[in-house]
Amino acid sequence: LAKTTQPISMDSYEGQEVNITCSHNNIATNDYITWYQQFPSQGPRFIIQGYKTKVTNEVASLFIPADRKSSTLSLPRVSLSDTAVYYCLVGEAEYGNKLVFGAGTILRVKS
Amino acid sequence: GAVVSQHPSWVICKSGTSVKIECRSLDFQATTMFWYRQFPKQSLMLMATSNEGSKATYEQGVEKDKFLINHASLTLSTLTVTSAHPEDSSFYICSAISGDRTDTQYFGPGTRLTVL
Repeated sequence: LAKTTQPISMDSYEGQEVNITCSHNNIATNDYITWYQQFPSQGPRFIIQGYKTKVTNEVASLFIPADRKSSTLSLPRVSLSDTAVYYCLVGEAEYGNKLVFGAGTILRVKS
Repeated sequence: GAVVSQHPSWVICKSGTSVKIECRSLDFQATTMFWYRQFPKQSLMLMATSNEGSKATYEQGVEKDKFLINHASLTLSTLTVTSAHPEDSSFYICSAISGDRTDTQYFGPGTRLTVL
């Protein structure tokens, strides 16, 4: 299972764009990259998933360079409610494969 | 879509008793479910992988006789904490694989267990 490295914490202000980068140097060919958001005392919430290049959905964008050794989650115009822990995970594109959570990034959005 | 529920959302029990936590996939069938434990200010720790109709696979260091997992149907997995002790107090979270997305786990809201 690929190990991921993220910043421990980040601070931002409302309305700013936030980019959280995750390193996964040992990512395997079949690994997907998935980002989750977790609020205190809640289960993680799926944000976005990608394999390569760029993926965008209604809440975030995910940028993956050609070598796939890192990825960047981009949150446009954050609000106070985006204060949470963000986890980057990599896992094989195989049904039922387990994921290993790292420490995650604590994002604090200030007014 | 891809909603996972857990019941109960919180439970308080006395030391020595057993507690059952249910995990349900509400709008999809999940052949595989996972159980995690999370202590305060820590990340999620995988406890076991639950496959429908077969025995669960436990992670190293997790006592299978203490944490009984049953995955009797494609939409339900249960975790029973047997003879609970205060050190078992934690936040237990389940997840399920949605078949329409490769390797995407959808998580339940979690169950807060407090053992007195």
